[in-house]
Parts: sequence; C-alpha cells; structure tokens
Amino acid sequence: GAGVSQSPRYKVAKRGQDVALRCDPISGHVSLFWYQQALGQGPEFLTYFQNEAQLDKSGLPSDRFFAERPEGSVSTLKIQRTQQEDSAVYLCASSYRGQGARTDTQYFGPGTRLTVL
Amino acid sequence: GNSVTQMEGPVTLSEEAFLTINCTYTATGYPSLFWYVQYPGEGLQLLLKATKADDKGSNKGFEATYRKETTSFHLEKGSVQVSDSAVYFCALGTGANSKLTFGKGITLSVRP
Repeated sequence: GAGVSQSPRYKVAKRGQDVALRCDPISGHVSLFWYQQALGQGPEFLTYFQNEAQLDKSGLPSDRFFAERPEGSVSTLKIQRTQQEDSAVYLCASSYRGQGARTDTQYFGPGTRLTVL
Repeated sequence: GNSVTQMEGPVTLSEEAFLTINCTYTATGYPSLFWYVQYPGEGLQLLLKATKADDKGSNKGFEATYRKETTSFHLEKGSVQVSDSAVYFCALGTGANSKLTFGKGITLSVRP
C-alpha cells in the first residue's frame, strides 16, 4: 500500500515568507508526528496528533510554528515569517495506534527540505 | 530528559567486515529502542526494534540487544555488504505518545 507522502519535496523561501508543508499519512493511522532534521543531525520531535487532536506540541520551537490535522488524516505544518534557522528537513511520520502504544512502529515520509534565504 | 548517544562517524569498512555501531541512552520510564536506516536518496526506514530488556531485534542480518543494565542498544552485523551503505540512527520511544528521540546518526560506507 501507499506509504507516508509529503509535499512539496523541496521548498525555497525568502526570509519573512510564510510556508505550508503537507503530510498524507498512511490511511487509517491514528497517530501523526512531525520532526525537524537539521543538517548532520538526527530528527527532533516537533508535535504529535492523535486523530485530529494535537496532544503534544512541546517541540515546536516558537509560536511561528503551527500544525493542524482538522479531519484526522492530512496534516499541515505552517511556519510564519520564516527565518534562516528554520532551514531543515521536515519529516512526517504516522503509526497505526494511539497513545499507550509505545511499541508501535512509526513510518516516515521522504521529508520536505526547506531552505530559507 | 531523554537522550541517545551514538558513536562518532563516519565509518568505512570493506565488504564482508564485521560491523558494530554503539548506541547508549538515558530515559525516564521504560523506553522502546529502535534502529532506523536512511539509504541515499530515501526516507527513514525502521531496521529493527526491541521493546523490553534482553529482547533482541533482528532484520537483514543486523542485530541489536536491549541491555538495560548498560543502557545500550548496539547494532551489529557479521558481514556487511556494499548495499548496507547508509546513515544509521538509534532512537528511543517513550511517554504516552511514544515520540522518538534520535541520536545524531552515523554514516556507514562499505567499499567493495
């Protein structure tokens, strides 16, 4: 079946512009995660959804970052007034079950590489 | 807080050599442990996982054992292939939502 897809794959923004990154999780997956991966680093957690509820946004670096998943499937990560330090690969992952399923596997999308000039 | 420490890279090996990639962790609670792999031009893929102490995860000839006493989850393979060239990430999952905490990753290059 289809995996996690993300669009666009590459995005170049001028500093100060707003961007929106899309994630299509695997159909039927309850949990959805966003991660940020800086060059040469491992991914870092940004936020977590269980269906449409955003249960954890502790990793969002500032109030310029906003995520939503209004119908419990597709999710959008929005970054307002982009800064150069926002340049990174943004990864989306989904898993089948919700909270408490600590053994569940997260399936990752290919990522969106954001470059802020 | 939670953290994962991986050995410094990159690592270059000849084909059929033995591979060990070290990973240690600190965690609150009782984590699950994972190795993810990123092949060139591809996304992160789960390689193997272990969910409780002394469990051994295995896949594609790779193995790792969950060692609670040493808080380690070292990745091993007896004979690497050129196709194993990739970036390897150790990660732990814990907490109610099982968000993952990753190490920095290590690049493995296998030469013919």
